[in-house]
Amino acid sequence: KAGVTQTPRYLIKTRGQQVTLSCSPISGHRSVSWYQQTPGQGLQFLFEYFSETQRNKGNFPGRFSGRQFSNSRSEMNVSTLELGDSALYLCASSPSDWNSPLHFGNGTRLTVT
Amino acid sequence: AQSVSQHNHHVILSEAASLELGCNYSYGGTVNLFWYVQYPGQHLQLLLKYFSGDPLVKGIKGFEAEFIKSKFSFNLRKPSVQWSDTAEYFCAVTSDTGRRALTFGSGTRLQVQP
Repeated sequence: KAGVTQTPRYLIKTRGQQVTLSCSPISGHRSVSWYQQTPGQGLQFLFEYFSETQRNKGNFPGRFSGRQFSNSRSEMNVSTLELGDSALYLCASSPSDWNSPLHFGNGTRLTVT
Repeated sequence: AQSVSQHNHHVILSEAASLELGCNYSYGGTVNLFWYVQYPGQHLQLLLKYFSGDPLVKGIKGFEAEFIKSKFSFNLRKPSVQWSDTAEYFCAVTSDTGRRALTFGSGTRLQVQP
């Protein structure tokens, strides 16, 4: 079974631009979560989608948004990029039942210059 | 809001030494607890989890953790580490109302010397 796939692996953007990251969950998984990992703040929860609906949201500004499609694939968008948005963005998928763990992808490394 | 503290930031051990990594959480309600591991160049993987029941939880690769509710702790242990255990270890917690929203600790980098 293929794992969680995130594209692209690396991105370099300029301050003020916007960026879209993509995540394909494991087949059959309906929940997709997004996390930001930085050396200073560690791993922080961004949001979670289930059946195309945002179910939980972390403490990030409105510049961070996401969506989920009917095939469970998810995208997250960051608008008006700031230098502090440079991070590894991780996507995780899981099945419907609460007792199943999250399966993480390898992440997209975003560098904002 | 919940929070997680991992007091050991960098641990260096020799092979066959015993390991205990500390994890304390702050949350007043029912929690679910996890340990994740990130091997060099690989994605985060679940080591073990606690939802309810026996507070001593066994995970993969010989790891175990004990949930002590009175101490708000969920320490990770392994009796004898191997070089292949070199990795970063993250403790995480979720509440019953936000089970997919993990709050992670800052991580502990474990270096096992052969």
